[in-house]
Amino acid sequence: DAGVTQSPTHLIKTRGQQVTLRCSPKSGHDTVSWYQQALGQGPQFIFQYYEEEERQRGNFPDRFSGHQFPNYSSELNVNALLLGDSALYLCASSSDLWTGDTEAFFGQGTRLTVV
Amino acid sequence: GQQVMQIPQYQHVQEGEDFTTYCNSSTTLSNIQWYKQRPGGHPVFLIQLVKSGEVKKQKRLTFQFGEAKKNSSLHITATQTTDVGTYFCAGSDAGGTSYGKLTFGQGTILTVHP
Repeated sequence: DAGVTQSPTHLIKTRGQQVTLRCSPKSGHDTVSWYQQALGQGPQFIFQYYEEEERQRGNFPDRFSGHQFPNYSSELNVNALLLGDSALYLCASSSDLWTGDTEAFFGQGTRLTVV
Repeated sequence: GQQVMQIPQYQHVQEGEDFTTYCNSSTTLSNIQWYKQRPGGHPVFLIQLVKSGEVKKQKRLTFQFGEAKKNSSLHITATQTTDVGTYFCAGSDAGGTSYGKLTFGQGTILTVHP
């Protein structure tokens, strides 16, 4: 049973460019959350997708957008990259429960470097 | 918005010593989760605490959730070199609409000297 898979594992982009990161959730999971983890910091919530819609969003600008597909996989898009967007981007999948109390399974992450 | 503070930021111990990290939330939590992240790795779920005053044990690890559901702690007894990593607490607020959104603390980096 594959866990959460993310691609690519590493990426180098130039300031101003756009990037798309991909995530396949753990089998049986229907909810995908994206987090940004800067070096030496805890993961920061970007947004969460459920039933192909953005259900909740953290404190990130509109340059950060996403999508969820019918098979529950998800993409994170970042436009007009800034040097400060360099970070580890983590995808976490979970099984939606109406209480919202559920463990998150994290992927290995995509290390994005903006130069 | 919800903030989760975690202390200490760093902890260096000799193998065999105990280790404790503390987590405090600015708001009442629905639940708190603990994760471990090895250097170069991703956060791995350790445990979830839901009930006020809850205490859970996993071998040498003891997790506590405060009575007010605003603080938590992780205690490791007799550390081993395999315990090295960053320990994060992550809270889900009690607003009823968190849908599993986690607010992470800054983490405590544990190094263990053999």
